[in-house]
Amino acid sequence: GAGVSQSPSNKVTEKGKDVELRCDPISGHTALYWYRQSLGQGLEFLIYFQGNSAPDKSGLPSDRFSAERTGGSVSTLTIQRTQQEDSAVYLCASSITGVGTEAFFGQGTRLTVV
Amino acid sequence: TQLLEQSPQFLSIQEGENLTVYCNSSSVFSSLQWYRQEPGEGPVLLVTVVTGGEVKKLKRLTFQFGDARKDSSLHITAAQPGDTGLYLCAGGGGTGRRALTFGSGTRLQVQP
Repeated sequence: GAGVSQSPSNKVTEKGKDVELRCDPISGHTALYWYRQSLGQGLEFLIYFQGNSAPDKSGLPSDRFSAERTGGSVSTLTIQRTQQEDSAVYLCASSITGVGTEAFFGQGTRLTVV
Repeated sequence: TQLLEQSPQFLSIQEGENLTVYCNSSSVFSSLQWYRQEPGEGPVLLVTVVTGGEVKKLKRLTFQFGDARKDSSLHITAAQPGDTGLYLCAGGGGTGRRALTFGSGTRLQVQP
């Protein structure tokens, strides 16, 4: 498809397990963002990739969270030893060149830690 | 840590009423965007403003970027039920932050 694709759309996991969330950005977009959104709230910044620059990881809440972007395209957000407070919708977005240009969002992955 | 505060957090109005949503920060941004999000979907861009004092109109929506590029407002005239959703402002190019910083959101409900 032409939009940002995220998978899975829903994930239920047991506390303590690791999870991987995938984001396929729009082809040709150099910037990729990950955000977290709790029910009805604003978006909490997690990590930002821009071209070949070092990613901005300043929003990752703990060292259990990590993300990579391979070949400047697909990105994976990994949460190790999940906790109940990690339950949220994880949104990925991409844009052509970064801030100031339109960010296109995927539909998100709803993560539930039980 | 940059913080974009939106007010009000929640607004319930009748169809046909006017409303204004505010987005404020202590930081200067090079650009300010407004997004709208519906349940189960990702946010969708409404407008981008880049110049202090800039005003943009999109049908019944009017967006303004403050002169100092620290704040913005969204005004909706004659609201309709289709305007219902979560409105998010987002600042770009702020000090010490390369990524897009989102506000806390304003949930608007327009009753028919």
